[in-house]
Amino acid sequence: EVQLVESGGGLVQPGGSLRLSCTASGFTFSSSWMSWVRQAPGKGLEWVANIKQDGSEKYYVDSVKGRFTISRDNAKNSVYLQMNSLRAEDTAVYYCAKNIAVGQFDYWGQGTLVTVSS
Amino acid sequence: AIRMTQSPSSLSASTGDRVTITCRASQGLNNHLAWYQQKPGKAPNLLIYAASTLQSGVPSRFSGSGSATDFTLTINCLQSEDFATYYCHQYYSYPWTFGQGTKVEVK
Repeated sequence: EVQLVESGGGLVQPGGSLRLSCTASGFTFSSSWMSWVRQAPGKGLEWVANIKQDGSEKYYVDSVKGRFTISRDNAKNSVYLQMNSLRAEDTAVYYCAKNIAVGQFDYWGQGTLVTVSS
Repeated sequence: AIRMTQSPSSLSASTGDRVTITCRASQGLNNHLAWYQQKPGKAPNLLIYAASTLQSGVPSRFSGSGSATDFTLTINCLQSEDFATYYCHQYYSYPWTFGQGTKVEVK
Protein backbone atom coordinates (compact mmCIF):
# COMPACT_ATOMS: atom_id res chain seq x y z
CA GLU A 1 0.00 0.00 0.00
CA VAL A 2 1.32 3.40 -0.99
CA GLN A 3 1.66 5.82 1.90
CA LEU A 4 2.89 9.39 2.03
CA VAL A 5 3.25 10.94 5.48
CA GLU A 6 3.99 14.64 5.85
CA SER A 7 5.36 16.33 8.94
CA GLY A 8 6.90 19.61 9.99
CA GLY A 9 3.97 21.98 9.73
CA GLY A 10 3.07 24.47 12.41
CA LEU A 11 2.78 28.12 13.37
CA VAL A 12 5.59 30.41 12.25
CA GLN A 13 6.02 34.18 12.25
CA PRO A 14 6.26 36.15 9.01
CA GLY A 15 9.83 36.05 7.74
CA GLY A 16 10.48 32.75 9.49
CA SER A 17 11.45 29.35 8.17
CA LEU A 18 10.02 25.85 8.25
CA ARG A 19 11.07 22.51 6.77
CA LEU A 20 8.43 20.05 5.69
CA SER A 21 9.19 16.36 5.31
CA CYS A 22 7.35 13.60 3.50
CA THR A 23 8.22 9.96 4.02
CA ALA A 24 7.06 7.48 1.41
CA SER A 25 6.44 3.76 1.45
CA GLY A 26 4.79 1.11 -0.70
CA PHE A 27 6.42 2.01 -4.03
CA THR A 28 9.86 2.52 -5.54
CA PHE A 29 10.49 6.04 -4.33
CA SER A 30 13.70 6.51 -6.32
CA SER A 31 11.78 5.94 -9.56
CA SER A 32 9.17 8.63 -9.01
CA TRP A 33 8.92 12.35 -9.52
CA MET A 34 7.58 13.94 -6.35
CA SER A 35 5.67 17.16 -5.76
CA TRP A 36 4.35 19.54 -3.14
CA VAL A 37 0.87 21.01 -3.62
CA ARG A 38 -0.77 23.47 -1.23
CA GLN A 39 -4.28 24.61 -0.43
CA ALA A 40 -4.99 27.82 1.44
CA PRO A 41 -7.94 27.66 3.87
CA GLY A 42 -11.19 27.50 1.90
CA LYS A 43 -9.35 27.89 -1.42
CA GLY A 44 -8.33 25.75 -4.37
CA LEU A 45 -5.24 23.71 -5.10
CA GLU A 46 -1.89 25.24 -6.05
CA TRP A 47 1.10 23.25 -7.28
CA VAL A 48 4.23 24.46 -5.47
CA ALA A 49 7.23 22.44 -6.67
CA ASN A 50 8.39 19.12 -8.00
CA ILE A 51 11.64 17.17 -8.23
CA LYS A 52 12.98 14.53 -10.58
CA GLN A 53 13.91 11.05 -9.45
CA ASP A 54 17.61 11.84 -8.99
CA GLY A 55 17.08 15.43 -7.87
CA SER A 56 18.69 16.82 -11.01
CA GLU A 57 15.62 18.80 -12.07
CA LYS A 58 13.44 20.98 -9.87
CA TYR A 59 10.58 23.29 -10.79
CA TYR A 60 8.72 25.89 -8.76
CA VAL A 61 5.68 28.14 -8.98
CA ASP A 62 6.81 31.75 -9.39
CA SER A 63 5.46 32.87 -6.02
CA VAL A 64 7.92 30.67 -4.09
CA LYS A 65 11.01 30.89 -6.30
CA GLY A 66 14.03 32.02 -4.30
CA ARG A 67 12.26 31.27 -1.00
CA PHE A 68 11.40 27.55 -1.12
CA THR A 69 13.70 24.65 -1.95
CA ILE A 70 12.59 21.13 -2.73
CA SER A 71 15.00 18.25 -2.14
CA ARG A 72 14.96 14.50 -1.67
CA ASP A 73 16.88 11.69 -0.03
CA ASN A 74 16.24 8.44 -1.88
CA ALA A 75 18.04 6.45 0.83
CA LYS A 76 15.44 7.66 3.31
CA ASN A 77 12.47 7.56 0.88
CA SER A 78 11.86 11.19 1.74
CA VAL A 79 11.17 14.48 0.03
CA TYR A 80 11.52 17.85 1.72
CA LEU A 81 10.37 21.43 1.30
CA GLN A 82 12.53 24.07 2.92
CA MET A 83 10.48 27.24 3.26
CA ASN A 84 12.23 30.53 4.05
CA SER A 85 11.02 34.13 4.24
CA LEU A 86 7.51 32.91 4.90
CA ARG A 87 4.57 35.22 4.27
CA ALA A 88 0.99 35.23 5.43
CA GLU A 89 -0.09 34.13 1.96
CA ASP A 90 1.93 30.91 2.38
CA THR A 91 -0.59 29.77 5.00
CA ALA A 92 -2.02 26.51 3.68
CA VAL A 93 -2.25 22.78 4.00
CA TYR A 94 0.78 21.38 2.20
CA TYR A 95 0.37 18.02 0.49
CA CYS A 96 3.14 15.74 -0.67
CA ALA A 97 2.16 13.94 -3.87
CA LYS A 98 3.61 11.23 -6.06
CA ASN A 99 3.66 11.85 -9.79
CA ILE A 100 2.93 9.39 -12.57
CA ALA A 101 5.97 10.07 -14.74
CA VAL A 102 6.12 13.86 -15.10
CA GLY A 103 2.47 14.51 -14.72
CA GLN A 104 -0.61 13.80 -12.74
CA PHE A 105 -0.62 13.02 -9.01
CA ASP A 106 -1.72 9.46 -8.29
CA TYR A 107 -1.09 9.41 -4.53
CA TRP A 108 -1.30 12.16 -1.92
CA GLY A 109 -0.38 12.47 1.72
CA GLN A 110 -2.83 13.63 4.37
CA GLY A 111 -1.36 17.13 4.39
CA THR A 112 0.35 19.27 7.01
CA LEU A 113 -0.89 22.73 8.00
CA VAL A 114 1.47 25.69 7.84
CA THR A 115 0.23 28.88 9.47
CA VAL A 116 2.20 32.09 9.02
CA SER A 117 1.07 34.65 11.55
CA SER A 118 2.41 36.98 14.20
CA ALA B 1 1.21 30.51 -16.94
CA ILE B 2 -1.66 28.55 -18.45
CA ARG B 3 -4.95 29.69 -16.98
CA MET B 4 -7.53 26.99 -16.27
CA THR B 5 -11.16 28.08 -16.10
CA GLN B 6 -13.73 25.66 -14.75
CA SER B 7 -17.47 26.03 -15.06
CA PRO B 8 -19.69 26.11 -13.26
CA SER B 9 -18.13 27.06 -9.91
CA SER B 10 -20.87 25.12 -8.19
CA LEU B 11 -23.93 23.12 -9.10
CA SER B 12 -26.81 21.42 -7.36
CA ALA B 13 -27.79 17.92 -8.39
CA SER B 14 -29.69 14.89 -7.21
CA THR B 15 -28.66 11.29 -6.89
CA GLY B 16 -29.03 9.63 -10.28
CA ASP B 17 -28.41 12.81 -12.26
CA ARG B 18 -25.86 13.21 -14.99
CA VAL B 19 -23.37 15.98 -14.19
CA THR B 20 -21.03 17.74 -16.57
CA ILE B 21 -18.15 19.99 -15.58
CA THR B 22 -16.06 21.85 -18.12
CA CYS B 23 -12.50 23.10 -18.02
CA ARG B 24 -11.05 25.53 -20.53
CA ALA B 25 -7.31 26.15 -20.85
CA SER B 26 -5.81 29.41 -22.08
CA GLN B 27 -3.67 27.42 -24.51
CA GLY B 28 -3.53 23.89 -25.92
CA LEU B 29 -2.56 21.10 -23.51
CA ASN B 30 -1.86 18.16 -25.84
CA ASN B 31 -4.23 16.20 -23.57
CA HIS B 32 -2.01 16.72 -20.50
CA LEU B 33 -5.10 17.19 -18.35
CA ALA B 34 -6.22 15.45 -15.17
CA TRP B 35 -9.33 15.56 -12.98
CA TYR B 36 -9.43 15.16 -9.19
CA GLN B 37 -12.17 14.77 -6.60
CA GLN B 38 -11.74 16.29 -3.15
CA LYS B 39 -13.95 15.84 -0.11
CA PRO B 40 -13.81 18.18 2.90
CA GLY B 41 -10.75 17.67 5.06
CA LYS B 42 -9.30 15.06 2.70
CA ALA B 43 -6.58 14.98 0.08
CA PRO B 44 -7.61 15.03 -3.58
CA ASN B 45 -8.15 11.77 -5.42
CA LEU B 46 -7.14 11.23 -9.05
CA LEU B 47 -10.08 10.34 -11.32
CA ILE B 48 -8.95 10.90 -14.90
CA TYR B 49 -5.61 11.59 -16.59
CA ALA B 50 -4.50 12.19 -20.17
CA ALA B 51 -7.89 13.87 -20.59
CA SER B 52 -9.87 10.62 -20.87
CA THR B 53 -8.04 7.74 -19.16
CA LEU B 54 -9.82 6.43 -16.08
CA GLN B 55 -7.51 5.91 -13.11
CA SER B 56 -7.44 2.38 -11.77
CA GLY B 57 -10.12 1.77 -9.16
CA VAL B 58 -12.29 4.75 -10.17
CA PRO B 59 -15.92 3.86 -10.96
CA SER B 60 -16.84 3.79 -14.63
CA ARG B 61 -19.59 6.39 -14.12
CA PHE B 62 -16.76 8.94 -14.29
CA SER B 63 -15.51 9.83 -17.75
CA GLY B 64 -13.38 12.53 -19.33
CA SER B 65 -13.33 13.94 -22.82
CA GLY B 66 -12.02 16.83 -24.84
CA SER B 67 -8.84 18.00 -26.48
CA ALA B 68 -6.68 21.04 -27.12
CA THR B 69 -8.19 23.69 -24.82
CA ASP B 70 -11.63 22.32 -23.94
CA PHE B 71 -12.24 19.41 -21.61
CA THR B 72 -15.20 17.83 -19.84
CA LEU B 73 -15.68 15.63 -16.80
CA THR B 74 -18.96 13.72 -16.81
CA ILE B 75 -20.46 11.82 -13.90
CA ASN B 76 -23.24 9.47 -14.98
CA CYS B 77 -25.84 8.44 -12.43
CA LEU B 78 -24.53 10.58 -9.56
CA GLN B 79 -24.10 8.67 -6.31
CA SER B 80 -24.23 10.05 -2.76
CA GLU B 81 -20.47 9.66 -2.40
CA ASP B 82 -19.88 11.88 -5.45
CA PHE B 83 -20.91 15.10 -3.71
CA ALA B 84 -17.54 16.82 -3.52
CA THR B 85 -15.37 19.43 -5.20
CA TYR B 86 -13.75 18.64 -8.54
CA TYR B 87 -10.57 20.18 -9.98
CA CYS B 88 -8.95 20.04 -13.38
CA HIS B 89 -5.16 20.19 -13.58
CA GLN B 90 -2.83 20.85 -16.51
CA TYR B 91 0.61 19.30 -16.53
CA TYR B 92 1.55 20.39 -20.05
CA SER B 93 3.80 23.24 -19.05
CA TYR B 94 5.26 24.81 -15.94
CA PRO B 95 3.97 26.20 -13.72
CA TRP B 96 1.39 23.43 -13.44
CA THR B 97 -1.99 24.95 -12.72
CA PHE B 98 -5.42 23.91 -11.46
CA GLY B 99 -8.89 25.12 -12.20
CA GLN B 100 -10.63 26.96 -9.38
CA GLY B 101 -12.83 23.98 -8.57
CA THR B 102 -16.46 22.97 -9.04
CA LYS B 103 -18.49 22.10 -5.96
CA VAL B 104 -21.20 19.52 -6.57
CA GLU B 105 -23.88 19.94 -3.91
CA VAL B 106 -27.08 18.17 -2.99
CA LYS B 107 -30.14 19.68 -4.62
